[in-house]
Amino acid sequence: SQQGEEDPQALSIQEGENATMNCSYKTSINNLQWYRQNSGRGLVHLILIRSNEREKHSGRLRVTLDTSKKSSSLLITASRAADTASYFCATVGSYIPTFGRGTSLIVHP
Amino acid sequence: DADVTQTPRNRITKTGKRIMLECSQTKGHDRMYWYRQDPGLGLRLIYYSFDVKDINKGEISDGYSVSRQAQAKFSLSLESAIPNQTALYFCATSRDYYTGELFFGEGSRLTVL
Repeated sequence: SQQGEEDPQALSIQEGENATMNCSYKTSINNLQWYRQNSGRGLVHLILIRSNEREKHSGRLRVTLDTSKKSSSLLITASRAADTASYFCATVGSYIPTFGRGTSLIVHP
Repeated sequence: DADVTQTPRNRITKTGKRIMLECSQTKGHDRMYWYRQDPGLGLRLIYYSFDVKDINKGEISDGYSVSRQAQAKFSLSLESAIPNQTALYFCATSRDYYTGELFFGEGSRLTVL
């Protein structure tokens, strides 16, 4: 069964707006990762945040982790049409990355 | 060349046929994984291997088997394919538990008629 669950399932925004996706999980983790998947392609790692970290940045990406609430968020600032993709969180507790169902993001030009 | 290569990229087969999906990697990673992706269900783990002598079942291993022929090669077999095994299959590698990042192949799309 999936450990992480993303919310919303689908998100549609205009270019230039910010996109926020959330991930909730059930058991303790060592780290949480976010991946991106363009339609039908392999997943690409975006960012990893460890359980002792609260926030991390990478370019236009900002990830937060709240272990007390067992949740994480991925913020993409100033979105571009090229950001259109599915985004997955993966939790790593007992050695194995476990993926959620993903958020489908559409950025309209 | 891609770091993680999957073959075939697309395959259409019939119920009852034996199918092998192959994965090879040039990253030098010990850990390799096979995931299955179905629309709306995300990725589910089929099998994983932490080194050549270590093979472990994942969440949905029934109907599948694997072989780790070398550090760089990890194959997934469907002994007798059935239609509900129609899916997109991904191979992935990682260096170790603490690094955590997975590197994915481009996927093998399998259709079982």
